Amino acid sequence: DGGITQSPKYLFRKEGQNVTLSCEQNLNHDAMYWYRQDPGQGLRLIYYSQIVNDFQKGDIAEGYSVSREKKESFPLTVTSAQKNPTAFYLCASTDRDGPYEQYFGPGTRLTVT
Amino acid sequence: GQSLEQPSEVTAVEGAIVQINCTYQTSGFYGLSWYQQHDGGAPTFLSYNALDGLEETGRFSSFLSRSDSYGYLLLQELQMKDSASYFCAVREAPGSARQLTFGSGTQLTVLP
Repeated sequence: DGGITQSPKYLFRKEGQNVTLSCEQNLNHDAMYWYRQDPGQGLRLIYYSQIVNDFQKGDIAEGYSVSREKKESFPLTVTSAQKNPTAFYLCASTDRDGPYEQYFGPGTRLTVT
Repeated sequence: GQSLEQPSEVTAVEGAIVQINCTYQTSGFYGLSWYQQHDGGAPTFLSYNALDGLEETGRFSSFLSRSDSYGYLLLQELQMKDSASYFCAVREAPGSARQLTFGSGTQLTVLP
């Protein structure tokens, strides 16, 4: 079955620690995205990548970093510089030249105390 | 900048019809999408309108008026499982990797 996996589902960290969230897809999609969702709010774009070894900042990139060494993988690091890291993080992918539909992973709920 | 407006909450009873509106103000526009998200889950794609008019997919329909910068999602024969958040999202331009800007979502509650 093709899809997007994110792990872990729940993650707890102490303030001041960096943490890396995993995102893997086997849909052969070129473009991948990271979104942040806070309670009762929409999705805000953190970073996106159109192709391997290339990525662009979204609307709220400060305090986050990404890499795209493989087409299938787009990990997100939440650094200690991120002021309010507790949130629900969603990874998505799409065909770069495809029309419109984004496929989402199940998300990682990060809690930092 | 980009802005999408949709109601924060809508309540309806099982079997009824509900309409969720979305107005947008964006620098570019290529199409309007709708996504459904159940509590704690991943958003899933429902529909997409690039041209004016109504698109129907089973119990769900979506409408777009580009001249009014307005669209809506129509849900018919509501079922309890339709209780979820619904997001409209604008595609800014063809070939744009960013592709989607999301609204804040409408929480739909279906009552028995």
